[in-house]
Amino acid sequence: NAGVTQTPKFQVLKTGQSMTLQCAQDMNHNSMYWYRQDPGMGLRLIYYSASEGTTDKGEVPNGYNVSRLNKREFSLRLESAAPSQTSVYFCASSEDRSTRVGSGNTIYFGEGSWLTVV
Amino acid sequence: RKEVEQDPGPFNVPEGATVAFNCTYSNSASQSFFWYRQDCRKEPKLLMSVYSSGNEDGRFTAQLNRASQYISLLIRDSKLSDSATYLCVVTLYGNKLVFGAGTILRVKS
Repeated sequence: NAGVTQTPKFQVLKTGQSMTLQCAQDMNHNSMYWYRQDPGMGLRLIYYSASEGTTDKGEVPNGYNVSRLNKREFSLRLESAAPSQTSVYFCASSEDRSTRVGSGNTIYFGEGSWLTVV
Repeated sequence: RKEVEQDPGPFNVPEGATVAFNCTYSNSASQSFFWYRQDCRKEPKLLMSVYSSGNEDGRFTAQLNRASQYISLLIRDSKLSDSATYLCVVTLYGNKLVFGAGTILRVKS
């Protein structure tokens, strides 16, 4: 059971280069997310997709684009990488975006992608 | 002010000790609460949900105080394997998750 798989695990980019982080989940989840994690800060939401065909901005969307290719896959693209985008990126998925109080809707994370922009 | 605040630690404790972490949240409309565990250079994983009445899972006890807007995690009989970063997570309306920066726990023999 693979869960959430993201690639690449490590990447070094030069300023101005572009790249796409790939993510796929095999749990038939509706919702998928991209987070970044920086030292001393919590995970911050970049973009999310509540269902196939929809995407919405999160807390820190500038400099990124996303594509929800199908129910399984959700990619994150850096069009012109900047040093400020050096971070660890996590893809995640959950069953739904339920608004039920205390639903305990668990989010499952991929193993992370370490990106350095020089 | 951050939406979710945690003491970053590190908390250095001997094996067998009891340790407690607190986490405060700023939005009184927060709906769901969780503790996640993150090992070094690994992804976060759900440790436990936090319910209003408090809940226990083995050596771990979670409490929620809505009036004071904080949640807590108590770990009894600490093991070396408990060494990790513990993330406090709060869900706002629409299932928006907000993560704290984490509290580092180091259990030493």
